[in-house]
Amino acid sequence: AQSVAQPEDQVNVAEGNPLTVKCTYSVSGNPYLFWYVQYPNRGLQFLLKYITGDNLVKGSYGFEAEFNKSQTSFHLKKPSALVSDSALYFCAVRPSGSARQLTFGSGTQLTVLP
Amino acid sequence: NAGVTQTPKFQVLKTGQSMTLQCAQDMNHEYMSWYRQDPGMGLRLIHYSVGAGITDQGEVPNGYNVSRSTTEDFPLRLLSAAPSQTSVYFCASSLTSGGAGDEQFFGPGTRLTVL
Repeated sequence: AQSVAQPEDQVNVAEGNPLTVKCTYSVSGNPYLFWYVQYPNRGLQFLLKYITGDNLVKGSYGFEAEFNKSQTSFHLKKPSALVSDSALYFCAVRPSGSARQLTFGSGTQLTVLP
Repeated sequence: NAGVTQTPKFQVLKTGQSMTLQCAQDMNHEYMSWYRQDPGMGLRLIHYSVGAGITDQGEVPNGYNVSRSTTEDFPLRLLSAAPSQTSVYFCASSLTSGGAGDEQFFGPGTRLTVL
């Protein structure tokens, strides 16, 4: 069975500092990996995805994520955090080339302090 | 495009009542799904559909029914509401059923409270 772990419920970072939100996964075969962001009282918004190719994926709002197959990780990063980045972040996985359903992590609340 | 729309935004039910949560998308997406979001548990899949007339169960289907008579609409029915169904419900859609790695588009959610 596929699964996603987001080991940190809460991440705090000062504005202007780099941020990392961690994600590890377990899936049969090669993965499709996604990051979504949820602002208060809103639906989830797609940030970026890894399908194949370059291990460093760039997405919306200056976010990027690095796929590491040996460590089964897909950490979300941003070089310089903004207060407006404060939100709930979800990592998700499904097996590549499969219609199997997306499995979400439990979410990480990111707070960027001014 | 309006994207994915959901109604109502808020609902309070009494135990045993039934209701339908509406979901529609105007992007001609093949795949639609319903999730529930509970604190600390992420999103859990309730039911999904890979096209009109085709539905299947997700991780937590008990107490819910769905149908997909058109490409655009995918309503979720609560047959006899229970307090355990208090949650935030999200509808999502994607262009295909996932084999190509399509991202999902989410609606704004319905906050349901069952007393």
